[in-house]
Amino acid sequence: GAVVSQHPSRVICKSGTSVKIECRSLDFQATTMFWYRQFPKQSLMLMATSNEGSKATYEQGVEKDKFLINHASLTLSTLTVTSAHPEDSSFYICSARPPGANSPLHFGNGTRLTVT
Amino acid sequence: KQEVTQIPAALSVPEGENLVLNCSFTDSAIYNLQWFRQDPGKGLTSLLLIQSSQREQTSGRLNASLDKSSGRSTLYIAASQPGDSATYLCAVGAQKLVFGQGTRLTINP
Repeated sequence: GAVVSQHPSRVICKSGTSVKIECRSLDFQATTMFWYRQFPKQSLMLMATSNEGSKATYEQGVEKDKFLINHASLTLSTLTVTSAHPEDSSFYICSARPPGANSPLHFGNGTRLTVT
Repeated sequence: KQEVTQIPAALSVPEGENLVLNCSFTDSAIYNLQWFRQDPGKGLTSLLLIQSSQREQTSGRLNASLDKSSGRSTLYIAASQPGDSATYLCAVGAQKLVFGQGTRLTINP
């Protein structure tokens, strides 16, 4: 079945540093990938849509300069949290949909970011 | 703006019981409805996807129904097992999904 791989699974960083999270579709090509954020005991909120070869589309309230998204190939999207602050600590999950109008979205295992 | 609500927020039942999780949405013009399972600290596992033209989908002990006119979906779990303990999320949409808050399910041995 379709697999989406996310790396790293956990990262701890100091305030002010930048962190890059990778999302790969392992057995299918994805022109579009999605980045979600989940705070503890809350549901997932869509942050942005990553489009291969073009700029990402950000949801309202999401700072594009803080959360840099690059989708340089059909199997890889990256999310970089720039100048991280403790309030950026969260669970970040990416998703992608295999080709086919009715195929379900598949999610990565998520990245737990802790900013100290 | 689409809003998705799941009740109850938490549910604890003895092993072997059949149970129903509920999901409601405000805008009936949905494309798909998908049920997911999330284990603590993990990503999401897709359980069932119901297209807007369908009324239900089944996979093993799981059955999901969709009633667009009333804005509701249910996830039925038969003969529950401790391994079913997880948070169950429903989401509506095509590419951009709108998620409910989830139901945290505990199956007690």
